[in-house]
Amino acid sequence: DAKTTQPTSMDCAEGRAANLPCNHSTISGNEYVYWYRQIHSQGPQYIIHGLKNNETNEMASLIITEDRKSSTLILPHATLRDTAVYYCIVRVYNAGNMLTFGGGTRLMVKP
Amino acid sequence: DSGVTQTPKHLITATGQRVTLRCSPRSGDLSVYWYQQSLDQGLQFLIQYYNGEERAKGNILERFSAQQFPDLHSELNLSSLELGDSALYFCASSVAEQGYTQYFGPGTRLTVL
Repeated sequence: DAKTTQPTSMDCAEGRAANLPCNHSTISGNEYVYWYRQIHSQGPQYIIHGLKNNETNEMASLIITEDRKSSTLILPHATLRDTAVYYCIVRVYNAGNMLTFGGGTRLMVKP
Repeated sequence: DSGVTQTPKHLITATGQRVTLRCSPRSGDLSVYWYQQSLDQGLQFLIQYYNGEERAKGNILERFSAQQFPDLHSELNLSSLELGDSALYFCASSVAEQGYTQYFGPGTRLTVL
């Protein structure tokens, strides 16, 4: 699986959009970008995944650059409950077993 | 709520003891994965079972073992416990043998004294 690079930490004001970047310059053509988050020692929570098109669900939007070397997870209206560690993971959708978690980005949403 | 359940939520035991952690996957999921999260190691993959068979192994110690039962629930057995085994243990499940989205349970916090 391709390696990812994320900022260690970010702050966001409550009610504003949180934009979390991820670099994955060695991504392969069949690898998807997955995002998970972990809220204070709870189990990691699946957020969204995508291949090359932008994706949106009830939790977030995922914007993937045209060359697929980077992506941005967008939480449109961050709340205090979005404070968590966000993990960007690149993997083949229908292959592979384990998820490889890096250090992630610690997002702090402030009032 | 991911649909994955884990018991117990907390476990406190002494060095040298043996414990069993239990996981029930989401309805319809055949794969179960175990991960360990300690303060200094982050989230690490331990082992995967698919429909009762072991499918992949990560950095799992020989003192640790797992199995998946016919009803698809899984148990992680940790023996000869050491202080360093204190960690959060998460179970995840997915529908297929490989790939696809993994959904995580709430975890079991193990404290070894």
